[in-house]
Amino acid sequence: DIVLTQSPGTLSLSPGGRATLSCRASQSLTSTHLAWYQQQPGQPPRLLIYGISTRATGVPDRFSGGGSGTDFTLTVSRLEPEDFAVYYCQQYGTSPWTFGQGTKVDIK
Amino acid sequence: QLVQSGPEVKKPGESVKISCKGSGYSFSSYWIGWVRQMPGKGLELMGIMYPHTSETRYNPSFQGQVTISADKSISTAFLQWSSLKASDTAMYYCAGMGLLGAIDAFDVWGQGTVVSVSS
Repeated sequence: DIVLTQSPGTLSLSPGGRATLSCRASQSLTSTHLAWYQQQPGQPPRLLIYGISTRATGVPDRFSGGGSGTDFTLTVSRLEPEDFAVYYCQQYGTSPWTFGQGTKVDIK
Repeated sequence: QLVQSGPEVKKPGESVKISCKGSGYSFSSYWIGWVRQMPGKGLELMGIMYPHTSETRYNPSFQGQVTISADKSISTAFLQWSSLKASDTAMYYCAGMGLLGAIDAFDVWGQGTVVSVSS
């Protein structure tokens, strides 16, 4: 199985700050099937990014994704209050599809 | 959208079947997945199904533990257990792939169904 390791576990930042989240795969992804999801407390996950760098419908352009091979990043350029949440990466190119363990972005 | 059935409270050894009803799109034409989230933990994909052909792919960790099915006539997917364990206590989400154009990613999610198993 492809293991996705997210870092850091928790990121403490101020509103207006820049968040850079990392997702490292245990083996190189053979496709561009890498997604990022945001989950607020008590809510289902919300797709932010798919295909490594494509924003999902309705996602603000302060969210961007990038990377290749085994190293991927999600960047939030200017944190808004509603961006403080848990973020998960997911690979869906190699079965079984897997999620990372999550990065919590909280208010400093 | 995807609308899931209500919370379930069960005893170990009991069976349960939870549902996920799709509306506003061609239910048979899109893969649906089931995702487990144990209390305070992360997301785990259990398996996916293509309702049009009933093709089902299970994550090996869940193979034999649950059954994923669908009834196209009522645009509903199901996740069922024949003998629950306390460790099945979790929130379960259904999610649709590509309903809003995100190729092969889960871009529409149900609201979740809590399954609580305790003696």
